[in-house]
Amino acid sequence: DSGVTQTPKHLITATGQRVTLRCSPRSGDLSVYWYQQSLDQGLQFLIQYYNGEERAKGNILERFSAQQFPDLHSELNLSSLELGDSALYFCASSSTPSGTGELFFGEGSRLTVL
Amino acid sequence: QQPVQSPQAVILREGEDAVINCSSSKALYSVHWYRQKHGEAPVFLMILLKGGEQKGHEKISASFNEKKQQSSLYLTASQLSYSGTYFCGTETSGSRLTFGEGTQLTVNP
Repeated sequence: DSGVTQTPKHLITATGQRVTLRCSPRSGDLSVYWYQQSLDQGLQFLIQYYNGEERAKGNILERFSAQQFPDLHSELNLSSLELGDSALYFCASSSTPSGTGELFFGEGSRLTVL
Repeated sequence: QQPVQSPQAVILREGEDAVINCSSSKALYSVHWYRQKHGEAPVFLMILLKGGEQKGHEKISASFNEKKQQSSLYLTASQLSYSGTYFCGTETSGSRLTFGEGTQLTVNP
């Protein structure tokens, strides 16, 4: 158990819909990363927050947005969903603002868009 | 920019050794290695910072060649539990931790 909690574990929805994925980082970690992993693909970096502020952006679509709240949990919002958005979305937390610390990954939220 | 991993896949027999390579076209601040078993979350193996040091524990070690922007993961005397997909992640001045496509390692009895 990494200490990172993601909900929901599984989500099935239709094209055009909007969903919200939630992540609670490990206790004490201020940094939250979001990654997308499509079937048998690598981990695509989406966005990083550190202590409530956006720290870095990767290949995140305009239809996607995220935020980190004062209690440090983070939410990833996916809107106008397309079939290609079906993937496993991982949240990871770290104690450092940069990539010099170990990332602890949650179990992921598997999104299926029909 | 995404690092490049090689090979894409490797099949071993228990007890054999393997090397997985990771390279970047940009100057690296750090290199991470993670292992992901099917259906599970990636798990941290080690991190290497600028300085070319080699790290490891037990039979898994890694090196970081700062000048060549390369890192290699060494798995010696492989065990069945080593099977999984290995990802290297790199951090550069322009991007946060970006992962390669992964190397699928299968260890057979």
